[in-house]
Amino acid sequence: DAKTTQPTSMDCAEGRAANLPCNHSTISGNEYVYWYRQIHSQGPQYIIHGLKNNETNEMASLIITEDRKSSTLILPHATLRDTAVYYCIVRSGSQGNLIFGKGTKLSVKP
Amino acid sequence: DGGITQSPKYLFRKEGQNVTLSCEQNLNHDAMYWYRQDPGQGLRLIYYSQIVNDFQKGDIAEGYSVSREKKESFPLTVTSAQKNPTAFYLCASSTSASGLGVGTGELFFGEGSRLTVL
Repeated sequence: DAKTTQPTSMDCAEGRAANLPCNHSTISGNEYVYWYRQIHSQGPQYIIHGLKNNETNEMASLIITEDRKSSTLILPHATLRDTAVYYCIVRSGSQGNLIFGKGTKLSVKP
Repeated sequence: DGGITQSPKYLFRKEGQNVTLSCEQNLNHDAMYWYRQDPGQGLRLIYYSQIVNDFQKGDIAEGYSVSREKKESFPLTVTSAQKNPTAFYLCASSTSASGLGVGTGELFFGEGSRLTVL
């Protein structure tokens, strides 16, 4: 079973920041938070991951709360091509599969 | 370019027939995985292999078989024992079993194979 809870869907205006929340209240100390996205009928694509600290790369930023029970993926300037299903996943650093839940369907609108 | 290639992209099969889906990677990754995705659902792990000549069952292995004779290849056979085989199948790879163990956990996915049983 997925250890995360995400909203089923979200809308975002093109050019605005998209903030995708994820709850992982049962996360343990050695579990990382991963984000992937899947554009329709394609394979998922890795976005970012983190353990405790906030992370940023060329695609997105990951904000993890201090208690690590929730996180937010931020796409700073959403484009139409960011329309996809976004998966938040927690996984142990030493073992464990990546378990994909149903994710959040993000629709970026003009 | 490095990546994962799945073939065929679309496949139709009659009930009772076995079918084999191909997955090839040139990323020099040790670990490879097969996932199944049903409409509106997340991915479920079928089989994974952390090293050549070794593989383990995932969460939904019944009705499927795999082999890992070469590092770059991890074919999946959907057998007639699989009761509901119509689905989107995704192959992935990662460095040194990082998809399951220590490492970045980054999985590289192929473009998928869509199997329809007629």
